[in-house]
Amino acid sequence: AQSVTQPDIHITVSEGASLELRCNYSYGATPYLFWYVQSPGQGLQLLLKYFSGDTLVQGIKGFEAEFKRSQSSFNLRKPSVHWSDAAEYFCAVGASPRNAGNMLTFGGGTRLMVKP
Amino acid sequence: DTGVSQNPRHKITKRGQNVTFRCDPISEHNRLYWYRQTLGQGPEFLTYFQNEAQLEKSRLLSDRFSAERPKGSFSTLEIQRTEQGDSAMYLCASSTSPGDRGSGNEQYFGPGTRLTVT
Repeated sequence: AQSVTQPDIHITVSEGASLELRCNYSYGATPYLFWYVQSPGQGLQLLLKYFSGDTLVQGIKGFEAEFKRSQSSFNLRKPSVHWSDAAEYFCAVGASPRNAGNMLTFGGGTRLMVKP
Repeated sequence: DTGVSQNPRHKITKRGQNVTFRCDPISEHNRLYWYRQTLGQGPEFLTYFQNEAQLEKSRLLSDRFSAERPKGSFSTLEIQRTEQGDSAMYLCASSTSPGDRGSGNEQYFGPGTRLTVT
């Protein structure tokens, strides 16, 4: 069974500082990996995805993530955080859509707070 | 493209009542998913449809829950005899069919329906 762990429940960073949110996954085959962001009371917005190829993927809002198979990780990074980045971030893993419905398994989320 | 829409956005009901939620996916998407998210947790998969066929259901989906997608467009999720433990955000997502690796996998989420059972 697939699973996702986000070790950090809360992270606080100062505006302008760099950010790294950790994600570890467990999946028996090559995973499909996603990062979503959720603002209070809202649905989830896709930040970026990894399917294959270059292990460093770029997303929206200046975010990037790096897939490291040897560490089963897919950490999210941003070089300079803006106050508007304060939100909840979810890492998710999906199966191959050809084998299953590609339902996503989400981690528990990391709540990001940004200090002025 | 107006994205995935869900109605109502909020629902307060008394324990034992039935509730129904609606999801309208992105028009060209033939896959539709339902997830449940409780406070402080990540979303959990409930069920998904390809066109009008319900292809998979999670064990989280008890007999009190039923989902339909009668014409392969919008979907409804009904909860019968609601319990306080059903209080959660119910999220709908849609995607295209699987194509070559690297396409058709992204799920786009609606704003959710927040259910409160008193």
